Amino acid sequence: EAEVAQSPRYKITEKSQAVAFWCDPISGHATLYWYRQILGQGPELLVQFQDESVVDDSQLPKDRFSAERLKGVDSTLKIQPAELGDSAMYLCASSPTGTGTYNEQFFGPGTRLTVL
Amino acid sequence: SQKIEQNSEALNIQEGKTATLTCNYTNYSPAYLQWYRQDPGRGPVFLLLIRENEKEKRKERLKVTFDTTLKQSLFHITASQPADSATYLCALYGGSYKLIFGSGTRLLVRP
Repeated sequence: EAEVAQSPRYKITEKSQAVAFWCDPISGHATLYWYRQILGQGPELLVQFQDESVVDDSQLPKDRFSAERLKGVDSTLKIQPAELGDSAMYLCASSPTGTGTYNEQFFGPGTRLTVL
Repeated sequence: SQKIEQNSEALNIQEGKTATLTCNYTNYSPAYLQWYRQDPGRGPVFLLLIRENEKEKRKERLKVTFDTTLKQSLFHITASQPADSATYLCALYGGSYKLIFGSGTRLLVRP
């Protein structure tokens, strides 16, 4: 069964360092999402891609976060510099259809980030 | 302000009983609502989607209701099993096709 892949699964870094997370969506899925989930809360959307284009990045802290999906397949989320408050689970999800639909999202296992 | 509220306290029930989880929302008019299951340290897994014109949706032991007048969805698991223990997340579309999640309710099923 096809799955969304993410790496690394765990990342420990010191504040002010740069970190990067990678996501490989299910093959053929046009829409890719990055979410942040703080312990005890639901996932919060950071950025949404339709193919290689950003559809929504209104909740992405653009002074330190960046995301790209250059060829419309896999994606990278970067934080530079990391802050203590960035400690969270970073989830990637994909969906087979485009923006404007209400289909289920398929989530990866997530990357647990700890900033010391 | 817009809010999605799920009971933050864990629901603790005996195996074989029906679990009922509540999702209330304010200042949204969602056309669709979804429920996801999340196990510790894992990503959410989609369970069910219900449309505003559907009163009820079923899938095996799962049942979801959607009352747009009360602004509430109920999620039921019948004949619950210890393997059903997890956090259950309610999610709705808050405009611009963006999925907004509640904070989830943890379900514990005792053997």
